[in-house]
Order: sequence, then structure tokens, then C-alpha cells
Amino acid sequence: DQQVKQNSPSLSVQEGRISILNCDYTNSMFDYFLWYKKYPAEGPTFLISISSIKDKNEDGRFTVFLNKSAKHLSLHIVPSQPGDSAVYFCLTGGTSYGKLTFGQGTILTVHP
Amino acid sequence: GAVVSQHPSRVICKSGTSVKIECRSLDFQATTMFWYRQFPKQSLMLMATSNEGSKATYEQGVEKDKFLINHASLTLSTLTVTSAHPEDSSFYICSASTGGIGYTFGSGTRLTVV
Repeated sequence: DQQVKQNSPSLSVQEGRISILNCDYTNSMFDYFLWYKKYPAEGPTFLISISSIKDKNEDGRFTVFLNKSAKHLSLHIVPSQPGDSAVYFCLTGGTSYGKLTFGQGTILTVHP
Repeated sequence: GAVVSQHPSRVICKSGTSVKIECRSLDFQATTMFWYRQFPKQSLMLMATSNEGSKATYEQGVEKDKFLINHASLTLSTLTVTSAHPEDSSFYICSASTGGIGYTFGSGTRLTVV
């Protein structure tokens, strides 16, 4: 049972435009959410996180939105840059148990 | 908000040596720490759970003598990869829970064993 789903395996965006990556989860106990970026042959790097007490968190060009009622998480990148091209993973966890659950990842390609 | 500082972010070591990874909770006391590892092309997998002042609980298949976890204080947990081998090359990440104010994660450590 896939508790965290990133339904879009890939996304292609023009440089300067907005990239929106989506993530859906099923477990209402999840209350901490993260986005990681991964380049080929490298480990994931932390991008941004949000806890369930917020519905938005912003860090530079990256903004994460959380819709708890819909159990939906999204990452907005504005403006998109070619260097943003990577695989993006959403992760969720809960204060009641510590185990992270990983989405399948979305390959973002930003074209110059 | 709560911050967990994980160091180093990247480390390269020779086969047979040991490497220590630290996770510090900067502005809260972490009663429980979790350690994860990411295998190539797979999701992060929980390795062990540690509670301050007690022995860590390891997940099935994780060698406790190889991956030493110490949670000696409420603000520091360490993972030591002993006698590292190339197959130990991976991405390791910690997370900390207070059980009260929430839950936060380190930024990860990329270990390369040559």
C-alpha cells in the first residue's frame, strides 16, 4: 500500500516559468513533510520542509504548500532554472513513530 | 523552529576505517533519534531507533556491531560506521523527535568508502 504518491513521474518546464510538483499521502498521522532533490549519482539534498501546523513555508524560490484536508503537498519553484533539473522526492513522517515514508520521485527537467 | 544539525554533509574514507556521523538538536532536547540509510535507487530505510541513555533498537538486517549508535545526551546522537567497506557507501540521515513539540530531520551525510 503506497502511503505516499507522486503521481507525475516527470515534469518538463521552460526556464523562468513555475514548476509545480505534487505529492499525495493517505496516512492522517503524518505531520511532517519534506522535499528533497537528487542529482544523478549523488545523495538527496534537503530542500524545504513543513509541519502540519502550517500550510505554507517559503525559502527563496521554493515554496511548499500543505493541504491537510486533501492530504496533498506541493512544491513550487519560481522562477525555474536549468540547474533545478533533478529528481524531487517528497517524504512524510509522523511524531508518533519516526519512520519516514518516501514518494517515488518526480524527474524535473527545466529547459533553457 | 526545531533544528537538527547533521555533520559531516559529505565524507570520503578508506576501506577498513571508521566514520562517525553526528546529529545535534540545536534548540530542543531530542529524546528519540532515528537513523536512516538510502540504498541506490531505493527509498530511505530505517536503520535504528535510539533513546537517550539506552541502547538503540536496530531494524532487522542491520548489523549493530557495524553501525554503532550512541545517544549519550539529549542533544547528541552519533552513528559510527565501523570497518567501512565500499558497500557501506550511502546516504545517511537522522531525525529527532521530542515526542512533544515535533519532529525534525538532519540534512543528511553522503558517505563514500574508497
